[in-house]
Order: sequence, then structure tokens, then C-alpha cells
Amino acid sequence: DTAVSQTPKYLVTQMGNDKSIKCEQNLGHDTMYWYKQDSKKFLKIMFSYNNKELIINETVPNRFSPKSPDKAHLNLHINSLELGDSAVYFCASTVGGLNTEAFFGQGTRLTVV
Amino acid sequence: DQQVKQNSPSLSVQEGRISILNCDYTNSMFDYFLWYKKYPAEGPTFLISISSIKDKNEDGRFTVFLNKSAKHLSLHIVPSQPGDSAVYFCAASATGTASKLTFGTGTRLQVTL
Repeated sequence: DTAVSQTPKYLVTQMGNDKSIKCEQNLGHDTMYWYKQDSKKFLKIMFSYNNKELIINETVPNRFSPKSPDKAHLNLHINSLELGDSAVYFCASTVGGLNTEAFFGQGTRLTVV
Repeated sequence: DQQVKQNSPSLSVQEGRISILNCDYTNSMFDYFLWYKKYPAEGPTFLISISSIKDKNEDGRFTVFLNKSAKHLSLHIVPSQPGDSAVYFCAASATGTASKLTFGTGTRLQVTL
């Protein structure tokens, strides 16, 4: 039973399209995140939600809009996709509080052509 | 500005020997440090962590050492096994940042027979 699951695992789409990536965690965690791993393999945080409330937004373009319908789900919607959006996107969750490890999903490889 | 650095992109070690992976950081606000292991096409998996109030933490074959004055941490794997072959990421977080992780660029460890 996967703790943090993302769908789809692979996504190929054309420039200009709008796409969504879904994430669900069954760990009962309060805080969820989106991280992006670019072509240089840098893993960087994009957003964080705690109990459906946005708490971190790391200067990500407005075309990226996270949505958290409940604390177990954090979806990422991307408008007007650009070539530079091609990357692997990881969802993660933590129990919240201080000094806790994050549990990651398997990643979504987005390729914009 | 890379606040967490792993200067060795790759490391090759014989099975049974010790693997030592290194990580340096620049942000003195970091007070919690983690190591993640990542296989291809999978998400990062938490391995071991250490709080800044400690200088060593051990879990089975894995030991993490923290030298705060040098802003340096290392992961020791003894004995190394072929299944340890993966990319290892060092990460750090600071209290009050909702467990936001800042990652290093990773070190690819290959354990040879």
C-alpha cells in the first residue's frame, strides 16, 4: 500500500497545454509538498501546504497552481506549459512539527515538446 | 546559491568496504540534516537523520557524522553492499521553515563486487 502516490508517472504534452499532477498520501500527515528535480538533478521545493493552507511558495511562476482539497491530497496544475517545465516533479509529506523526515512519491516525469 | 553541496558526483567502492559520502552546507540556520537514497525512476527514500544537537547518529550499517564548526556532515556505510548502489542526497532544514528541505546535488554510489 503506497504511502505517497502520484499520478501519472509519465506525462508528455505539447507546449501551451494545461496539465495536472495528482498526489495522495495515506500516512495521516498534515503537511504536503511539491519538489521539482530539473535536468541538472537539482531537487528544489516549490510549494508546501499544511492542512489545506499554503505555507511555502518558492517564487514559482503563476502558471503553477497547487490545490489541496483536503489534507491527504495536493494536486499541481500547470497552465500554458513551456519547454523549461520539463522535469521530474515529486510530491512529499511530513507529519508536521519540528525536524521530521519527508516521505516522497515516486515522481512524475513531465516532458514538454 | 547552493546552500548544500555534495562535491563528489560519484563514488565507487568495493563490496564489504566502507563508503563515505560527504556534504557541506553554508546556512548556519540549518539545524536538522538528512540523507536520502534514490534509485532510478523512484522517489527519494529517507535513510537517516541527525539533529544539530548531536554529532553522530547510527542506524545499523549507516552512521551520520555532523561537524557543526566545519558545516560538514558525512554518511558512512559499513559494510557496503551492492544494493547500496544508488544516488545519495544530503538535505537540510531549519526550524520554523515547515520542514522545507534544501538538497545537495547528489552523489552516485556504485558498490562493486
